[in-house]
Amino acid sequence: KAGVTQTPRYLIKTRGQQVTLSCSPISGHRSVSWYQQTPGQGLQFLFEYFSETQRNKGNFPGRFSGRQFSNSRSEMNVSTLELGDSALYLCASGQGEMGSSYEQYFGPGTRLTVT
Amino acid sequence: AQKVTQAQTEISVVEKEDVTLDCVYETRDTTYYLFWYKQPPSGELVFLIRRNSFDEQNEISGRYSWNFQKSTSSFNFTITASQVVDSAVYFCALSEAGRDDKIIFGKGTRLHILP
Repeated sequence: KAGVTQTPRYLIKTRGQQVTLSCSPISGHRSVSWYQQTPGQGLQFLFEYFSETQRNKGNFPGRFSGRQFSNSRSEMNVSTLELGDSALYLCASGQGEMGSSYEQYFGPGTRLTVT
Repeated sequence: AQKVTQAQTEISVVEKEDVTLDCVYETRDTTYYLFWYKQPPSGELVFLIRRNSFDEQNEISGRYSWNFQKSTSSFNFTITASQVVDSAVYFCALSEAGRDDKIIFGKGTRLHILP
């Protein structure tokens, strides 16, 4: 079974631009969660999607948004990029049943650099 | 509130030594899950173990062992006879099952195994 895939793996953007990251979960998984990892803040939860609906959201500004498609693939978008958005963005896929967070499998991440 | 504390930010040991990574957690729930993840330089989070709050048995997997003590809210990880390939950042994490599916991570411990 293929693992979680994230594209692109590396991205360089300029402050003020917007960016879209993509995550394809493991086949059969319906939940996709997004996390941001920075040296200062560590790993922080962004949001989770299940069956095309945002089910949970972390404490991030509205510039961070996401969506999930009917095939469970998910995208996250960051608008008006700031230097502080430079981070490794990790996607995790899971079965989706509430309380099954222990079954999350992480992708390799997208490293975003904002200049 | 949920919180995971990994007091050791960085540890260096010589190969073949044993090393213990500390993890202390806070939660209001009686049902929760604890995890350890390994993050090698490639960036992908590698799942190592999950425990639920009702199972305090220690676990051993090869050179890895985990000590879960609810009385002290700790979930420590020991690597026996360390190897250079064990060099990575290790994250302890917590999820309150049934409340939501987000995983709260500690800041991580960077482990250097010196040859």
